[in-house]
Amino acid sequence: DAGVIQSPRHEVTEMGQEVTLRCKPISGHDYLFWYRQTMMRGLELLIYFNNNVPIDDSGMPEDRFSAKMPNASFSTLKIQPSEPRDSAVYFCASSLGAGGNNEQFFGPGTRLTVL
Amino acid sequence: GENVEQHPSTLSVQEGDSAVIKCTYSDSASNYFPWYKQELGKRPQLIIDIRSNVGEKKDQRIAVTLNKTAKHFSLHITETQPEDSAVYFCAAPYLTNAGKSTFGDGTTLTVKP
Repeated sequence: DAGVIQSPRHEVTEMGQEVTLRCKPISGHDYLFWYRQTMMRGLELLIYFNNNVPIDDSGMPEDRFSAKMPNASFSTLKIQPSEPRDSAVYFCASSLGAGGNNEQFFGPGTRLTVL
Repeated sequence: GENVEQHPSTLSVQEGDSAVIKCTYSDSASNYFPWYKQELGKRPQLIIDIRSNVGEKKDQRIAVTLNKTAKHFSLHITETQPEDSAVYFCAAPYLTNAGKSTFGDGTTLTVKP
C-alpha cells in the first residue's frame, strides 16, 4: 500500500484565494483525520470522519474551513477565503478502527503558505 | 477537553545516554497509549504503543512503560544515537470520545554526538 496520499505537497497562495487540500486514505481504513500543525499551536485536530461521515468538527477554526469525504477513498479540506494565519502544515491521517484506540497513519502533509 | 500533559518540552542528551519522556493522562478508562516520532520536515510516525493490559513493552532500544494507578506512561530510549533527534509526541484517547486522540505538545530531543 502506498500509505496516505496528500496533494499538493506545497501550496503558496495569496490572501483571499480558495485553497483545496486533498487526501487519499489507506484502503480499508474507516477513520480519516485532518490535522493542522504550527509551531505555536502544535498538532491540532480539525475534523474527523468515520465511514465517510463527519463525526467531530469542533476543531475547525471558523466557517472559512470546510471538509468533505464523498467516498471512502477521498477527502478534501477547503479554506475559503484563505488568510495569512492559515499558513501551516496540514496532515491527513487514517486509521483502522477508532483513532483513539489504534495507530494513526499520517500522510506527508501539505505545507500551505498564504501571503 | 485536553487530557494529556507531556514533559519535558525539550531534552538534550549526549550520544549513548538514555532519554526519558513522560506523559500523564486524566481518563482512567483510557486503554491505548502510542508514541509518535516526527523528524524535521517529515510526518509523525508510530514508533511504539502500549495497551492498558500490560505494564511495559520493548522494541530494541525503545520501551514504553505504563503506570495505570498514577495515570502516566513514559518513553525510554537507550543508547541514543544522533538519528534519534526528533520531536516525540505521546497520545491518548480523547476524554469521552475514543474516536479521536489527544496529542501531547511534543518533546524535542537532541542527541549530541
